[in-house]
Amino acid sequence: AQKVTQAQTEISVVEKEDVTLDCVYETRDTTYYLFWYKQPPSGELVFLIRRNSFDEQNEISGRYSWNFQKSTSSFNFTITASQVVDSAVYFCALSEPGGKLIFGQGTELSVKP
Amino acid sequence: DAGVTQSPTHLIKTRGQQVTLRCSPKSGHDTVSWYQQALGQGPQFIFQYYEEEERQRGNFPDRFSGHQFPNYSSELNVNALLLGDSALYLCASSLLLADTDTQYFGPGTRLTVL
Repeated sequence: AQKVTQAQTEISVVEKEDVTLDCVYETRDTTYYLFWYKQPPSGELVFLIRRNSFDEQNEISGRYSWNFQKSTSSFNFTITASQVVDSAVYFCALSEPGGKLIFGQGTELSVKP
Repeated sequence: DAGVTQSPTHLIKTRGQQVTLRCSPKSGHDTVSWYQQALGQGPQFIFQYYEEEERQRGNFPDRFSGHQFPNYSSELNVNALLLGDSALYLCASSLLLADTDTQYFGPGTRLTVL
C-alpha cells in the first residue's frame, strides 16, 4: 500500500531562519511521482513541485529547494530565509502515473516576524 | 488562463439532506478528481472522472457519487448527509495522458452538516 508520512505536525520559526519539512513515503511501484503542495489559510492547495521516481536530481527554485533520496524514500523540502508569507500548511503527496494523490497529514509552518 | 473553479464556496445542510457540488476544470484539462479534507487532516481521494466515466474510486460509500459532463466539468453528489461529512471538498483537474499530469486544485467548497 502507498503511504506518506510527515512526522512534523507543527514547526515554528523566526523570519529569515531556514526550515526543512520532512516527507517519507512507501510504495511498491517502480514508477511514481512525488509532490509538494502549499495550503494557505484560504484553503486552496497550491502546487509547488512534481518529481518522478527516475529523477533524483535535487531542485532549487528561488528560496525553495527539494532533496529527493530514493535510498531512504524521502523527499524533503527546505525553505531558505523564511518569510511570514511562507506560513501555511505544507503537504507532501505520492501518486502512480495518472492516479490518485496520497497525501501526508501535513506540516503547519508558522513564520514569526 | 482560468484556473479550477468550484461552487458554492460554503454550504450548510442538515443531516439526511442531499448536496451537489460543482467543479470546472482548468482550461485544456480533461480529468477531474475529488478529495475530502477533514479539519486538520490531509485530503482523501474520493474519485476521479475521465471521458465522463469514473476511472478510480477511493474508500468512500455509495452515498458519494459523481458525474462528468462533455465539457469536462464535474459534479459531486452526497446523499443522506451525516455529521461526519462536514469537510472541505476539493476538486482537482489534470490532463491525463500528458507527460506532466499534475493535479491543480480549486479553492474548495466548505460543507457544514448540522
